[in-house]
Amino acid sequence: RKEVEQDPGPFNVPEGATVAFNCTYSNSASQSFFWYRQDCRKEPKLLMSVYSSGNEDGRFTAQLNRASQYISLLIRDSKLSDSATYLCVVRGGFKTIFGAGTRLFVKA
Amino acid sequence: SQTIHQWPATLVQPVGSPLSLECTVEGTSNPNLYWYRQAAGRGLQLLFYSVGIGQISSEVPQNLSASRPQDRQFILSSKKLLLSDSGFYLCAWIPQGNGGGYTFGSGTRLTVV
Repeated sequence: RKEVEQDPGPFNVPEGATVAFNCTYSNSASQSFFWYRQDCRKEPKLLMSVYSSGNEDGRFTAQLNRASQYISLLIRDSKLSDSATYLCVVRGGFKTIFGAGTRLFVKA
Repeated sequence: SQTIHQWPATLVQPVGSPLSLECTVEGTSNPNLYWYRQAAGRGLQLLFYSVGIGQISSEVPQNLSASRPQDRQFILSSKKLLLSDSGFYLCAWIPQGNGGGYTFGSGTRLTVV
């Protein structure tokens, strides 16, 4: 089993749609959780941290379920500019594991 | 403000040639530094990390080495490149003791031919 697993997609959605990405992790001792966005041929950029209580940043909502070892990212009212690969990231101590990413295409 | 610089942006090297990629961070001191590699269509693989000058931890045995000659400088090297060394190399940093996310450099796209 991979340490961090994501559905690779691609997710093809129309503008304005709501889309959800899921991620599972295997190490129950993991302490910090993040979502990154990576545009084609660019470096990953931090989108948001994920907290147990859930957190929201504009159209983006992140949730963490420690009992199920599960993280989610919800994007509401999708924009063309949201098209990218979304990476789930899990950290425990010095070890940070990146998921392989979920590709999202938002179409007009 | 803190910035991270990585160069070159692209590199095409023949098999068996040496490699040196450089990463520098500005606006902070004593950062944790990381080298990652991303193969085409794959996830990020941690290669090396450093918590201080001269301190290097290797995650994956391979054809590469890393050095940290100065506090804010991290270098990735190889004496003889292999075809399998091709990929997107990313340097990242985070402040010591910070539980937040990494900041990545803009990356070097290496093609070994």
